[in-house]
Amino acid sequence: AQSVTQLGSHVSVSEGALVLLRCNYSSSVPPYLFWYVQYPNQGLQLLLKYTSAATLVKGINGFEAEFKKSETSFHLTKPSAHMSDAAEYFCALNSQTGRRALTFGSGTRLQVQP
Amino acid sequence: SAVISQKPSRDICQRGTSLTIQCQVDSQVTMMFWYRQQPGQSLTLIATANQGSEATYESGFVIDKFPISRPNLTFSTLTVSNMSPEDSSIYLCSVEGQTYTEAFFGQGTRLTVV
Repeated sequence: AQSVTQLGSHVSVSEGALVLLRCNYSSSVPPYLFWYVQYPNQGLQLLLKYTSAATLVKGINGFEAEFKKSETSFHLTKPSAHMSDAAEYFCALNSQTGRRALTFGSGTRLQVQP
Repeated sequence: SAVISQKPSRDICQRGTSLTIQCQVDSQVTMMFWYRQQPGQSLTLIATANQGSEATYESGFVIDKFPISRPNLTFSTLTVSNMSPEDSSIYLCSVEGQTYTEAFFGQGTRLTVV
């Protein structure tokens, strides 16, 4: 069975500080991994994805994530937080098995303090 | 990328009634997915809908409660039947892009049952 674990349901950073949102996964086969962002009262927007090419993936809005197979991790980072980054972030996995829907982590709410 | 239009965007319904949510995609897609996001929770897959076949439901979800139609390759509906306050959630439609490597989401339907 596949699963996604996001450590920290709430993360608070100061504006301009480093953002680090943690995601660990479990999959019996090489996974595809995704980070989505959800702003209040909106749907999900894809930030970035790992599909077995480069392990360091750059996404929109200055975010990036690094796939580390040895650590089964796919942490999301941004060097300098902006107030507009405040949102809910979801890590998701697709393990290329018969089930083609995504498996989501529990989500991390990012707060950015002025 | 696929553009997904979901209707209604929100609704407040009386318990015991039913609501049908529509999902329209701007391109033909094989698989469509319906997710539920309960307040403060992550996304849970309700069912997978392929055109021309019965929807496949996840554990804990049944067709009598969540009937799904998929009449063609660009459209699907999800009905939430005999609603109770516990059905208050955001319901999201999703489609697959390139196999396993992309998933696009509608803006969601925010349902409140009173």
